[in-house]
Amino acid sequence: SAVISQKPSRDICQRGTSLTIQCQVDSQVTMMFWYRQQPGQSLTLIATANQGSEATYESGFVIDKFPISRPNLTFSTLTVSNMSPEDSSIYLCSVDGQVGADTQYFGPGTRLTVL
Amino acid sequence: GENVEQHPSTLSVQEGDSAVIKCTYSDSASNYFPWYKQELGKGPQLIIDIRSNVGEKKDQRIAVTLNKTAKHFSLHITETQPEDSAVYFCAIRGTGGFKTIFGAGTRLFVKA
Repeated sequence: SAVISQKPSRDICQRGTSLTIQCQVDSQVTMMFWYRQQPGQSLTLIATANQGSEATYESGFVIDKFPISRPNLTFSTLTVSNMSPEDSSIYLCSVDGQVGADTQYFGPGTRLTVL
Repeated sequence: GENVEQHPSTLSVQEGDSAVIKCTYSDSASNYFPWYKQELGKGPQLIIDIRSNVGEKKDQRIAVTLNKTAKHFSLHITETQPEDSAVYFCAIRGTGGFKTIFGAGTRLFVKA
């Protein structure tokens, strides 16, 4: 399985500001995913990030609001831009495992509160 | 499109009893069915998974069963312990697609 770390683990931000979340994996992976999990809810896919290409965004999510970088096979960042209280959520990084492309692992999450 | 329904939303059992969580899906192309456990303040952790060519899989106190004809799969936890208390998510993933679709989650309480 892949070991995934995220920074920061939590943050409290003012509305109108931006926060960049980092995701680091202990091995090279092809697919990296960013999810949002609102309080008490399930996981919603924001975008899929492949190294060397632009991220693919899901319906309801746009690059201007959630720009993503994927500079190499072990690292990605998600920025939450121009934040509002509605952006308060847990943001989760996920990767496909090494054994079988369909097995997926998650990082510990970043708990974001926007005031 | 792909959809997965998960029941119940909340489940409370006595320690030592069994717990069963069921998911149904609509897309017959789904061929991978993982289950995740999420404890408070943590990311989801893969606990067991099953592929479409298998009907049942066990790992100690946890088992998953799959009925492809009826398009449903279930998580079975036997001899529950307080540390099993968490939110459990089922998920599906289909051939040729990279997206995993998650159920709404089941909050399991195991009472000591």
